[in-house]
Amino acid sequence: DQQVKQNSPSLSVQEGRISILNCDYTNSMFDYFLWYKKYPAEGPTFLISISSIKDKNEDGRFTVFLNKSAKHLSLHIVPSQPGDSAVYFCAARSFQAGTALIFGKGTTLSVSS
Amino acid sequence: EAQVTQNPRYLITVTGKKLTVTCSQNMNHEYMSWYRQDPGLGLRQIYYSMNVEVTDKGDVPEGYKVSRKEKRNFPLILESPSPNQTSLYFCASSLAAFSYEQYFGPGTRLTVT
Repeated sequence: DQQVKQNSPSLSVQEGRISILNCDYTNSMFDYFLWYKKYPAEGPTFLISISSIKDKNEDGRFTVFLNKSAKHLSLHIVPSQPGDSAVYFCAARSFQAGTALIFGKGTTLSVSS
Repeated sequence: EAQVTQNPRYLITVTGKKLTVTCSQNMNHEYMSWYRQDPGLGLRQIYYSMNVEVTDKGDVPEGYKVSRKEKRNFPLILESPSPNQTSLYFCASSLAAFSYEQYFGPGTRLTVT
């Protein structure tokens, strides 16, 4: 049973526009959520995170929104740049469940110039 | 430069031939883990280590062994590889077991024929 779901395998956006990547989760015990970005032939790199006690966290062009009642989070990239083209993984963890990050399957973002 | 290194980056082997993938970090992190990434499945944790001589199973440990004799190194051992272990493997580390941000190595692509 997949606890973290990224239902859109891919997303295409024009440079300068907003990219919105979505993530849904099923485990209400998750207390922290993270987004990782992955370029080909590289390991995932941490992008931004949010605690379950917040509903928004912003870092430059990247903003993560959390809707606990809907068990949904989203990553907004504004403005999108060609260098943002990568695979984006949503991940979650629960202090009670242990130390593993539970990852979604990833969404491939393509930003065209 | 703070980093997680893995070797080899690419490996093709045959069924049953024992192999070791090395992982090393230079950040003095206590927590290290191994993930595998398969198409359509995202990243899944194989084993983790909370400190030297402390290891435990993740979600998909079958067919793998690990050891943590030194803080910086966390090798992944496949005693008798099988084709279903063909995958992309990532080592990750974090400051402590419940540190949220994990740093990933560049990955090892393993093919077992």
